Amino acid sequence: AQSVTQPDIHITVSEGASLELRCNYSYGATPYLFWYVQSPGQGLQLLLKYFSGDTLVQGIKGFEAEFKRSQSSFNLRKPSVHWSDAAEYFCAVGAPNNAGNMLTFGGGTRLMVKP
Amino acid sequence: NAGVTQTPKFQVLKTGQSMTLQCAQDMNHEYMSWYRQDPGMGLRLIHYSVGAGITDQGEVPNGYNVSRSTTEDFPLRLLSAAPSQTSVYFCASTVSGGVAGELFFGEGSRLTVL
Repeated sequence: AQSVTQPDIHITVSEGASLELRCNYSYGATPYLFWYVQSPGQGLQLLLKYFSGDTLVQGIKGFEAEFKRSQSSFNLRKPSVHWSDAAEYFCAVGAPNNAGNMLTFGGGTRLMVKP
Repeated sequence: NAGVTQTPKFQVLKTGQSMTLQCAQDMNHEYMSWYRQDPGMGLRLIHYSVGAGITDQGEVPNGYNVSRSTTEDFPLRLLSAAPSQTSVYFCASTVSGGVAGELFFGEGSRLTVL
């Protein structure tokens, strides 16, 4: 069975500082990997996804993530955080060809941004 | 563009009561699913559907029923609510089959069971 671990429950960074959110997954083959963001009171929005190919993927809002097979990781990064990035971030893994496109989500990392 | 619409946004129930959370999407998506979100546990899949008339269980299906009579609607029923079902519920849909596509989420329904 696939699983996702986000080791950091809360992270606080200063506005303008760089950000890295960690994600480790467990899956027998190359999975499909996703990062979603949830603003307060809202549903989840897709930031970026990795299916195959280039291991560095670009997403919306200036985010990027790097797939590292050897480390089973898919960490999310942003060079300069804005106050509007304060939200909860979820890493998710999906199996190729799974029925219903079910995803397994990590527990989430809540990002707080200091002015 | 409405996307995925969930109703109600908030609901308080007493133990043993029943209710239905509604979910509708206007994107003609084949795949629809229900997740529950609990602190520190991320989102867990309750039930999903790959098309009208077809449903299946996810990770945490106990206490919930679903049906899919149309492509647009995927209601989630709680037949006898329990305090353990206090959670935020999200409906999601997607169009892809075979290749995992982007999930489109509703804004959530916050349920409290007393």
